[in-house]
Amino acid sequence: GAVVSQHPSWVICKSGTSVKIECRSLDFQATTMFWYRQFPKQSLMLMATSNEGSKATYEQGVEKDKFLINHASLTLSTLTVTSAHPEDSSFYICSAQKQGNEQYFGPGTRLTVT
Amino acid sequence: GEDVEQSLFLSVREGDSSVINCTYTDSSSTYLYWYKQEPGAGLQLLTYIFSNMDMKQDQRLTVLLNKKDKHLSLRIADTQTGDSAIYFCAENEGNTPLVFGKGTRLSVIA
Repeated sequence: GAVVSQHPSWVICKSGTSVKIECRSLDFQATTMFWYRQFPKQSLMLMATSNEGSKATYEQGVEKDKFLINHASLTLSTLTVTSAHPEDSSFYICSAQKQGNEQYFGPGTRLTVT
Repeated sequence: GEDVEQSLFLSVREGDSSVINCTYTDSSSTYLYWYKQEPGAGLQLLTYIFSNMDMKQDQRLTVLLNKKDKHLSLRIADTQTGDSAIYFCAENEGNTPLVFGKGTRLSVIA
């Protein structure tokens, strides 16, 4: 199998606080994980590529100081939304790349900032 | 840049076949994927095809690839209400991020 989990599945936080989202590959090692953001009824927008043991590569327009990514092990990547604001409310989905280039997605985390 | 296009909506009757189409522009695409997204959930990899193949069948799913026209399709045989979801076509060159289409919303009418 190839299972990817995310935690939490949903979170509500107050404006100005920070939120950490975890992405884990449960039954395989992933040297590369990707973080996507999905707005309602829209496709996924790639935010950053996370490689184990190195700095994440951010897509143009994504603030690296606002969306902190850490890929500390071959099975865990975290995305921290710092000083969250209502416009950061979205569905955040991670994917983990298995050997053979298949990407498996987590179930997503719905963030609501009030 | 790369672009992946899909029609936005498809409606079929239960028991009929569904065909979801996708076109892409990147001639370097090596892998082409179909993902399924149910409401409020992440993406589930349904199937993928290498660019050197022209067909792949997996139970009720058949993927056809016309590399010359850069056209990919997903056929779901005997469509069921549980198949109602958004289907995303995606491509990459291997160890690169996926480029997604906007998704096709499949509605199955009982």
